Amino acid sequence: NAGVTQTPKFRVLKTGQSMTLLCAQDMNHEYMYWYRQDPGMGLRLIHYSVGEGTTAKGEVPDGYNVSRLKKQNFLLGLESAAPSQTSVYFCASTLVRGAEAFFGQGTRLTVV
Amino acid sequence: DAKTTQPPSMDCAEGRAANLPCNHSTISGNEYVYWYRQIHSQGPQYIIHGLKNNETNEMASLIITEDRKSSTLILPHATLRDTAVYYCIVTYRGSTLGRLYFGRGTQLTVWP
Repeated sequence: NAGVTQTPKFRVLKTGQSMTLLCAQDMNHEYMYWYRQDPGMGLRLIHYSVGEGTTAKGEVPDGYNVSRLKKQNFLLGLESAAPSQTSVYFCASTLVRGAEAFFGQGTRLTVV
Repeated sequence: DAKTTQPPSMDCAEGRAANLPCNHSTISGNEYVYWYRQIHSQGPQYIIHGLKNNETNEMASLIITEDRKSSTLILPHATLRDTAVYYCIVTYRGSTLGRLYFGRGTQLTVWP
């Protein structure tokens, strides 16, 4: 039982490049979330999903897209990376809304 | 979801109790109070949650005031490993809405 696994752990992108961050959970959780964390800003919600095939916007969705084609996976895409997207990205999942959230170990992304 | 207010930082001597306050004056009747912590740059970790009664587990105790407008997380015997950012969140359980918002939290520093 691995919990929540994020891939990759580190990445450096050039401005304008695209990439996809993968979040996988093996707990059969319905809800999944993507956050970004910048120094002194706490965690800010980018997008979330309440079930397979559904996604919704959070606080800071601009510049990101997501997909939840399979219940266990939640993908975060950057179509054209910008330096402002340099951040640490965390994925989380909950069984239902309001339940205990399990977090991945984070992806440190640098856009140069 | 109700907003929360936490002090940006606190400190505590090792072995003493750490009492972390949280104000949630706009909390609704069926919103729960959750506490998470984030050690250095790891993913956040669930600590405890409660509705109106005080709660205790192996990590901490949660004291919720009778009017539910504030709460206190208590780490009874703080250790150096408890140095972390602590987040207080209020949210519904079982609702169809999926948002789970974190603020900036309280940086707790435990000193020897």
